[in-house]
Amino acid sequence: ETGVTQSPTHLIKTRGQQVTLRCSSQSGHNTVSWYQQALGQGPQFIFQYYREEENGRGNFPPRFSGLQFPNYSSELNVNALELDDSALYLCASSLPLLTSGTGKETQYFGPGTRLLVL
Amino acid sequence: DQQVKQNSPSLSVQEGRISILNCDYTNSMFDYFLWYKKYPAEGPTFLISISSIKDKNEDGRFTVFLNKSAKHLSLHIVPSQPGDSAVYFCAASVDQFYFGTGTSLTVIP
Repeated sequence: ETGVTQSPTHLIKTRGQQVTLRCSSQSGHNTVSWYQQALGQGPQFIFQYYREEENGRGNFPPRFSGLQFPNYSSELNVNALELDDSALYLCASSLPLLTSGTGKETQYFGPGTRLLVL
Repeated sequence: DQQVKQNSPSLSVQEGRISILNCDYTNSMFDYFLWYKKYPAEGPTFLISISSIKDKNEDGRFTVFLNKSAKHLSLHIVPSQPGDSAVYFCAASVDQFYFGTGTSLTVIP
């Protein structure tokens, strides 16, 4: 069973550019969540996708957007990059949601993508 | 507003002794709590969880305690081993997962 993988591992961009980060979910997991972890902070929830639909969003502006594909892999897109977007971006996949849709299952994290915005 | 707080950024413990990591939360609606361990250059790894209907959950050397009246969560590691040295995050869930800022545990051989 393969775990959660993310690409690229590191990325350097300049302010105003756009970036796409990729995530492959753990086998059998159809829910994926994205987190931003700034230096010295815990992961902050960006959004979650379930069966290709956004299923919850944290306090992040619309320039943070995502996609989930039929094979449950996922992308995080960030437009108009700002210096404060520099962080570790983590993807986490989990087993199918409960009918409540609130996702009480355990999330399995990838190693993250380290983004530096200059 | 930080709904989950880990007030100790670091902790050092001798090998074989007990490690106690603490976590406080503010939202009484949280109904599921987890602990994750993170090594450098890796993503967080799930360690143990507890539902709000319980006050204790044990898995080998790891025990999580939940005190709902105090809105306090703790992780006990007994006995501590050098391989336990890592950053530990607590997390709580209602509609999404909220993470604390982490506690760096060092187990001294």
